[in-house]
Amino acid sequence: KNEVEQSPQNLTAQEGEFITINCSYSVGISALHWLQQHPGGGIVSLFMLSSGKKKHGRLIATINIQEKHSSLHITASHPRDSAVYICAVPDYGGSQGNLIFGKGTKLSVKP
Amino acid sequence: DSGVTQTPKHLITATGQRVTLRCSPRSGDLSVYWYQQSLDQGLQFLIQYYNGEERAKGNILERFSAQQFPDLHSELNLSSLELGDSALYFCASSVGLPSNNEQFFGPGTRLTVL
Repeated sequence: KNEVEQSPQNLTAQEGEFITINCSYSVGISALHWLQQHPGGGIVSLFMLSSGKKKHGRLIATINIQEKHSSLHITASHPRDSAVYICAVPDYGGSQGNLIFGKGTKLSVKP
Repeated sequence: DSGVTQTPKHLITATGQRVTLRCSPRSGDLSVYWYQQSLDQGLQFLIQYYNGEERAKGNILERFSAQQFPDLHSELNLSSLELGDSALYFCASSVGLPSNNEQFFGPGTRLTVL
């Protein structure tokens, strides 16, 4: 069974700072997902990546398959980035590739 | 807007009762997933349907059941409710299998069991 660890658990930043959130997993995967959960509870898929790097606006996600590690970066952070960021990977055991989730990183960006 | 709809948005009920949560996937998506998010457990996979058939089960209790109908909408039935079942329940959908397809989440149903 795959295990997912995220760090840090909580992160407070000043507006404009560069943010990094880390995710490690224990079993090799085909793709890793980054999700954003807004304070109101809604969940949005940010990235699904299997190698290298993806960029969307101020968000950048990277993955190192050999090291079983992914990072989510936010450049020029803004208070509207305040949310919980969740990493998820497939579990190829009993749940046939369905996702297991990290505990999330709660980001608060202060103006 | 993800294109996934869930009803109701909020549900308050008593212990021992039975409730049904409903989900309509994005147009064209064949996979539907149900997730539970509680304060102490985080997001957990409950069950997946693909094109009307149950494909995989996660941490779903025997008191819970689900189905996917021919029009691909899905329902999650929760019975003999306990205080610990209070949580956010999300439905998500994707075109194909979960490991290699982006999932689109509905707004969730907040269930409170009193």
